Amino acid sequence: AQSVTQPDIHITVSEGASLELRCNYSYGATPYLFWYVQSPGQGLQLLLKYFSGDTLVQGIKGFEAEFKRSQSSFNLRKPSVHWSDAAEYFCAVVPQFFGNEKLTFGTGTRLTIIP
Amino acid sequence: ETGVTQSPTHLIKTRGQQVTLRCSSQSGHNTVSWYQQALGQGPQFIFQYYREEENGRGNFPPRFSGLQFPNYSSELNVNALELDDSALYLCASSPAGAGTGELFFGEGSRLTVL
Repeated sequence: AQSVTQPDIHITVSEGASLELRCNYSYGATPYLFWYVQSPGQGLQLLLKYFSGDTLVQGIKGFEAEFKRSQSSFNLRKPSVHWSDAAEYFCAVVPQFFGNEKLTFGTGTRLTIIP
Repeated sequence: ETGVTQSPTHLIKTRGQQVTLRCSSQSGHNTVSWYQQALGQGPQFIFQYYREEENGRGNFPPRFSGLQFPNYSSELNVNALELDDSALYLCASSPAGAGTGELFFGEGSRLTVL
């Protein structure tokens, strides 16, 4: 069965510092890969996605992620965080060509920003 | 463009009761998925509806059931509530059964079972 691992439960970063959130997946073939963000009391919002092609993908709010097939990883990065980036971040996968949106999510990484 | 809306936002039930949660999909979307998010966990897939038919189901017992209506809105029903059913229930819609994983989520219905 496919699985997603986000090894960091909680990360604290100073405003203006760079950020990297880790995500590893376990699946027989390369799935579609996603990062979603959940602000307090809100639903999830799609930050970015990887289907194929260029392994560095750009998303909204200045985020980017790099797919590394050899490491089964899809890490999220941002060069300079803002206080509004404080939220819960979820990595998710779905098999390619599966025909439904049965996403498998990681357990999330909570991001705290300090002034 | 109207996003995904869910109701109620919060509710409290007791063990053994039944609950119905409602979801209106985003305009133009005909596929609705439901997820359960327990405290401190990532969302878990319950099931998906496409053209009023169930199109995929996660590892949830039959007391979790759903409906999709001709206007693409949806309901999630849970019978014989258990304490472990306490969670945030998220509805998500997507266009035309695309199967790409790009979901548009509502803000969720938080269910507390006492």
